[in-house]
Amino acid sequence: KQEVTQIPAALSVPEGENLVLNCSFTDSAIYNLQWFRQDPGKGLTSLLLIQSSQREQTSGRLNASLDKSSGRSTLYIAASQPGDSATYLCAVEGVWDNAGNMLTFGGGTRLMVKP
Amino acid sequence: DTAVSQTPKYLVTQMGNDKSIKCEQNLGHDTMYWYKQDSKKFLKIMFSYNNKELIINETVPNRFSPKSPDKAHLNLHINSLELGDSAVYFCASSQGQRRWETQYFGPGTRLLVL
Repeated sequence: KQEVTQIPAALSVPEGENLVLNCSFTDSAIYNLQWFRQDPGKGLTSLLLIQSSQREQTSGRLNASLDKSSGRSTLYIAASQPGDSATYLCAVEGVWDNAGNMLTFGGGTRLMVKP
Repeated sequence: DTAVSQTPKYLVTQMGNDKSIKCEQNLGHDTMYWYKQDSKKFLKIMFSYNNKELIINETVPNRFSPKSPDKAHLNLHINSLELGDSAVYFCASSQGQRRWETQYFGPGTRLLVL
């Protein structure tokens, strides 16, 4: 059964730092991997989606990479800002899923960016 | 003009009660989901409906019964609530059930069973 792990569980950095969040998954047979942002009291917002055939995706200051064979993904945030403070979750969609679009989530990394 | 909305936002109830959580999406999507986020923050899918038909049922106790009166609504009814049901429940929707469809999440319903 697919398991998704995120390290670290929590991270506190000063404003302006570049940082990397890690995600690993046990079964490399995936269709895609997504990174989400979760703000307190709000739902999840999809940040980036990487198809299994892709190596990375970029959106603004965010860059996500995928190494399917090793079961790893990283989310790189450049020049962090206090507004980036949130919980970041990664989720994979596995090829073992018959029904389609079923996501398995990691436990998240809680990021705090201090002014 | 919230895309995916859930009611109530907070729910505190006694063990053994029956309660419902409602979800509505105004995005015109065909597929809706219910997720449970436990105390360790892990999100797990519970149900998925496509055009009012059940697609995914992930070994959820039969005390949980989803109901989809139409494409825009997916309600979750829980019978005989137990302490372990305390969690945050998220509703989500996507255009369809194809791979790579982005899911849009509601704000969550925080359920506390006493």
